[in-house]
Amino acid sequence: RKEVEQDPGPFNVPEGATVAFNCTYSNSASQSFFWYRQDCRKEPKLLMSVYSSGNEDGRFTAQLNRASQYISLLIRDSKLSDSATYLCVVKDGAGKSTFGDGTTLTVKP
Amino acid sequence: EAGVAQSPRYKIIEKRQSVAFWCNPISGHATLYWYQQILGQGPKLLIQFQNNGVVDDSQLPKDRFSAERLKGVDSTLKIQPAKLEDSAVYLCASSLWGPMGSEYFGPGTRLTVT
Repeated sequence: RKEVEQDPGPFNVPEGATVAFNCTYSNSASQSFFWYRQDCRKEPKLLMSVYSSGNEDGRFTAQLNRASQYISLLIRDSKLSDSATYLCVVKDGAGKSTFGDGTTLTVKP
Repeated sequence: EAGVAQSPRYKIIEKRQSVAFWCNPISGHATLYWYQQILGQGPKLLIQFQNNGVVDDSQLPKDRFSAERLKGVDSTLKIQPAKLEDSAVYLCASSLWGPMGSEYFGPGTRLTVT
């Protein structure tokens, strides 16, 4: 079993749709959580950190459920420019990051 | 603020040859990471430095891979000898020290081993 698991998709949605991605992690001692975005043949870029209280940045909302070891990302009003691979990242107390293999999103006109 | 710099951007070598990658992190970032990303997978941590000390290298294939961080700033990653399965993108990232720190990635080096 992988330490961080994501549904690879692909998710194909029309513009304006709401889409949700899930991620589960196995290390209960994990301390920090992030979502990164990676465009084709580019480096990963931080989308947002994930906090226990949940956090929102514009059309993006991230949630963390420590009891279930589960992280989610919700994208509202999808844009064509949201098409990318979304990577879930979990860090332990030493700052060591473990990445999921990503979920691919394609937003269509 | 300048980002993470990496070179070269592309490299093609034959198996059993050696190759080296260079990374210059964001100024002031104490933590530096090297990742290997194989097509279709997420980045896999190879080695993590805190200043010039190694924090984690548990996933570094030490029989062929080596890395150093000179004076706690620049870093090089070397593969010797390369195998076909080393074909991947090698990403360098840096962050401020601490478990809450997010990472900033360089553009990566795309390695093809033939």
